[in-house]
Amino acid sequence: GAGVSQSPSNKVTEKGKDVELRCDPISGHTALYWYRQSLGQGLEFLIYFQGNSAPDKSGLPSDRFSAERTGGSVSTLTIQRTQQEDSAVYLCASSLGPHYTDTQYFGPGTRLTVL
Amino acid sequence: RKEVEQDPGPFNVPEGATVAFNCTYSNSASQSFFWYRQDCRKEPKLLMSVYSSGNEDGRFTAQLNRASQYISLLIRDSKLSDSATYLCVVNANTGNQFYFGTGTSLTVIP
Repeated sequence: GAGVSQSPSNKVTEKGKDVELRCDPISGHTALYWYRQSLGQGLEFLIYFQGNSAPDKSGLPSDRFSAERTGGSVSTLTIQRTQQEDSAVYLCASSLGPHYTDTQYFGPGTRLTVL
Repeated sequence: RKEVEQDPGPFNVPEGATVAFNCTYSNSASQSFFWYRQDCRKEPKLLMSVYSSGNEDGRFTAQLNRASQYISLLIRDSKLSDSATYLCVVNANTGNQFYFGTGTSLTVIP
């Protein structure tokens, strides 16, 4: 079946512009996660959704970052006034439910480059 | 202190060798543990969950040592296709925040 999809696969933007990254989770998966991975770094947790609610936003690095999820499905991560340090691969993952043993399935990521 | 720490390697081993990776975690109340595999410029994929009693999946064996707060991954009879970065993942006991290590790089040499 279809896995997690993300768009765009690559995004190049100028410093100061806003960007929107999209994630389509696996159908039926109620939990959705956003991470970012900088070159040579581990995955950094950004935000977690259960349904449309985000009980844990603690990983968002600044108020320039926001995310929403609608209809318990698609999620959008928005970065306002992008900075060069925002350059990274942004990965989305979904899991069947909220239990911490549920396997996360990752999308291919969006590679963001801020010039 | 980082939540999860791994030796970044790289580990370069010949085909057929046995190789082991360790990972330490800082939160003694962590509940779940995983090993993920990430190929170059690809997304992470679950390799195996790690259970308290230890578990094996073919050539791969995972162990958990709660007293010392580390998990390990053993790969026997290494194949060229095992070349990848192996990520240690730990779930905090506070819910759904997962902590990823920076990964251990493995290259299996013909």
